Amino acid sequence: KQEVTQIPAALSVPEGENLVLNCSFTDSAIYNLQWFRQDPGKGLTSLLLIQSSQREQTSGRLNASLDKSSGRSTLYIAASQPGDSATYLCAVDNDYKLSFGAGTTVTVRA
Amino acid sequence: NAGVTQTPKFQVLKTGQSMTLQCAQDMNHEYMSWYRQDPGMGLRLIHYSVGAGITDQGEVPNGYNVSRSTTEDFPLRLLSAAPSQTSVYFCASSYGGPNNEQFFGPGTRLTVL
Repeated sequence: KQEVTQIPAALSVPEGENLVLNCSFTDSAIYNLQWFRQDPGKGLTSLLLIQSSQREQTSGRLNASLDKSSGRSTLYIAASQPGDSATYLCAVDNDYKLSFGAGTTVTVRA
Repeated sequence: NAGVTQTPKFQVLKTGQSMTLQCAQDMNHEYMSWYRQDPGMGLRLIHYSVGAGITDQGEVPNGYNVSRSTTEDFPLRLLSAAPSQTSVYFCASSYGGPNNEQFFGPGTRLTVL
């Protein structure tokens, strides 16, 4: 059974600092890994999707890396802003089923 | 496009009652899925469907039924509600399968007394 872990559970940083969010998974036989953002009381919004054959994906200030062999992914958010405050979840795809981590709740202080 | 819609947004049930959570999408996505989200835990897959007429179980299917008669709709039925089913329920869809970008609905917050 795939286990997905996100550490830390919560993170507070001053505005402008770079954010580093970690995701680890136990079964490396994945098809892809996705990062999502969830605002309080809302659904999830997809941020980045990394296929298993890829090492990283970038979108604006966001960069996600994937090391499938070691079961790790890292989401980098450059020059954080208060609007980046949210919960970030990662999910891995094993055979048509997504397994989610519990998320990292980020607070960016103005 | 409305994207993925879910109704109702909030629901309170008594133990033993049944109800259906509605999910619809207007993007012609083949893949649809239901998750529950509990405090301190990630989303857990309940059921999923790869197309009309095809459904399969996820990680936590007990106590829930699904059917997929059309591409657009994927309702989730609670047969006999239990307090353990108190949760936030999310529906998601994607083109092809979970290897593509997932689109999530706003969620249904369910409380079972």
